[in-house]
Amino acid sequence: TQLLEQSPQFLSIQEGENLTVYCNSSSVFSSLQWYRQEPGEGPVLLVTVVTGGEVKKLKRLTFQFGDARKDSSLHITAAQTGDTGLYLCAGIFGNEKLTFGTGTRLTIIP
Amino acid sequence: KAGVTQTPRYLIKTRGQQVTLSCSPISGHRSVSWYQQTPGQGLQFLFEYFSETQRNKGNFPGRFSGRQFSNSRSEMNVSTLELGDSALYLCASSGRTQYEQYFGPGTRLTVT
Repeated sequence: TQLLEQSPQFLSIQEGENLTVYCNSSSVFSSLQWYRQEPGEGPVLLVTVVTGGEVKKLKRLTFQFGDARKDSSLHITAAQTGDTGLYLCAGIFGNEKLTFGTGTRLTIIP
Repeated sequence: KAGVTQTPRYLIKTRGQQVTLSCSPISGHRSVSWYQQTPGQGLQFLFEYFSETQRNKGNFPGRFSGRQFSNSRSEMNVSTLELGDSALYLCASSGRTQYEQYFGPGTRLTVT
């Protein structure tokens, strides 16, 4: 069973601050996705990264895929209260099923 | 396009009973996956169906089963419910790319 470790597990910061959360594995991903889940809802796909070193931006969110395709990061600039939620990374190893990370629960304090 | 729908949204059952949950994927999506989400274990894969066939299965006991119909709608069944089965059960459908999952809102199952 492949494991995806996310850090930190919990993060609470003031509105307007910047933050980075991480997703790491000992194995190489074929591709990786980031999802955000709000209370009472299912996860919503934010981005898919495929190529090592790839960087994708979604407004104030920047996603980076590690060169070796074993890790990824999500950076949020000038956090807003609407960014509050559970952030999940999910990776594909080889041709196997999607494996979800442990999640980072982010709280933005107004 | 309408999103993934799941019914019911909330369910309370007693230990030993069985339950059936339903999922309607996004129109045109042929793959449906089911996940169990709990605070302690996170999001865990149950199984995936594609064109009425189970394509992948997670590490859950045989009490958890599923099926998919010709219109891609899917059901999952849990028999002989245990307290530990209390969880949010999420259904996701995939379209153009197999691994990009579009989730429904989930069914919150409480076993007492």
